[in-house]
Formats: sequence, C-alpha cells, structure tokens
Amino acid sequence: QKEVEQNSGPLSVPEGAIASLNCTYSDRGSQSFFWYRQYSGKSPELIMSIYSNGDKEDGRFTAQLNKASQYVSLLIRDSQPSDSATYLCAVEDVTGGGNKLTFGTGTQLKVEL
Amino acid sequence: GAVVSQHPSRVICKSGTSVKIECRSLDFQATTMFWYRQFPKKSLMLMATSNEGSKATYEQGVEKDKFLINHASLTLSTLTVTSAHPEDSSFYICSAEGGDSYEQYFGPGTRLTVT
Repeated sequence: QKEVEQNSGPLSVPEGAIASLNCTYSDRGSQSFFWYRQYSGKSPELIMSIYSNGDKEDGRFTAQLNKASQYVSLLIRDSQPSDSATYLCAVEDVTGGGNKLTFGTGTQLKVEL
Repeated sequence: GAVVSQHPSRVICKSGTSVKIECRSLDFQATTMFWYRQFPKKSLMLMATSNEGSKATYEQGVEKDKFLINHASLTLSTLTVTSAHPEDSSFYICSAEGGDSYEQYFGPGTRLTVT
C-alpha cells in the first residue's frame, strides 16, 4: 500500500532559524512531489513542486528530492511566525492513476518569537 | 493564476436535507477535479476524482449514492451531499488539476454542519 510518512510534530523553531521538514514515500515509481502549506481552518496551498533529484529553491523555500532514498524535504530559511502552519507532503499516486496524489498527515510547524 | 473558488464557504443544514457545493476553476480549464473531506486535526481524505463529461471515480468506502458528483464543464464540478446526517459534518475541499503536471490547486473549502 502506498504511503507517505511525515513526523506530525509539532516542530518548534525560533524566528530566523531554518526549519527542516521531512517526508518519505513508499511508491518507488513516483516522479512528482509537492509541498502544501495549510493554516488552521483553511485549505492547503501549493508552495513547491519538485520532479528531479537535487534541490529546487524558491525564495526562502528549498525542496530537496532523493529518489534513491525515497525522501523529499522542505527547508524554510529565516523562519517567520507567519510560517507557522501544517505542511503537507504529497506524492504522485502512480498505481492509483487518474493524476491522484497521496498526502502525508502533515507536520505542524511552530515558529516562536 | 490557478485560482479555484468554492461556494458556499459555510453551510448549516438540518438532518435529512441535501446540500450542493460548487467548485470552479477561475483562470484555467480543469481536466480533473478532486473532492476531499477533512475532519478536525485529521489529514485530507480523498473522496472522489471527477473528469469533465464522465462519471466520477469514488474512493473505497465512499458512498456514491450519498455523495453525488457532477463535472459538467471544464471549470465546474459540484458535490451534493444527499440526506445529510450529523456525521457528515466536515470540511469539504475541492481541488483542480489542469494538465499533466499533477499540481492540484485547492479551493478555500466548505464547512458543513448538519444539525
């Protein structure tokens, strides 16, 4: 059964620090990976997508992908209190078809002043 | 770009009634739309996948006769919760995917309360 695993947290970091969020997945054939941010009571918002091994940077966010290790991570530099949210890792569901994504349960990030 | 709207944002209904939720992609054509449900402090649960002009594909355990999905155009999908009961109270969220990238863009969600 396809799985996407995340540490539920909460992960607490001080303001200005780097937050590191990790995700592992079971479906070795997956090629597309996404990070979503979800504030409490709101719907998820796409913040990063990554398709190739290595790093992809967008502003303060860096996504890292290692397909051999089936591992994807998200780094948030200069963390701000507004970054406090739940971060969802999503992976292409290759076997399920229909362009579905499999979501992890999310990691709650708390950025403290 | 990639804006998805949902209506209504919040609805309260009596047990036994039906509720329709609309999901629209505002600035792109959505080949596929997805309907999710999320209970408090729980993860997203995919209910069904809908493609324009064809029947929706429901996930295991989701009653297709209770959760009616219509994807009438490339920009509109609707979810109707029929004969709603208090246990159907949840946060219903749609998403839309416009091409081959697998990127899904979520609507703001509809909070349903059944009394």
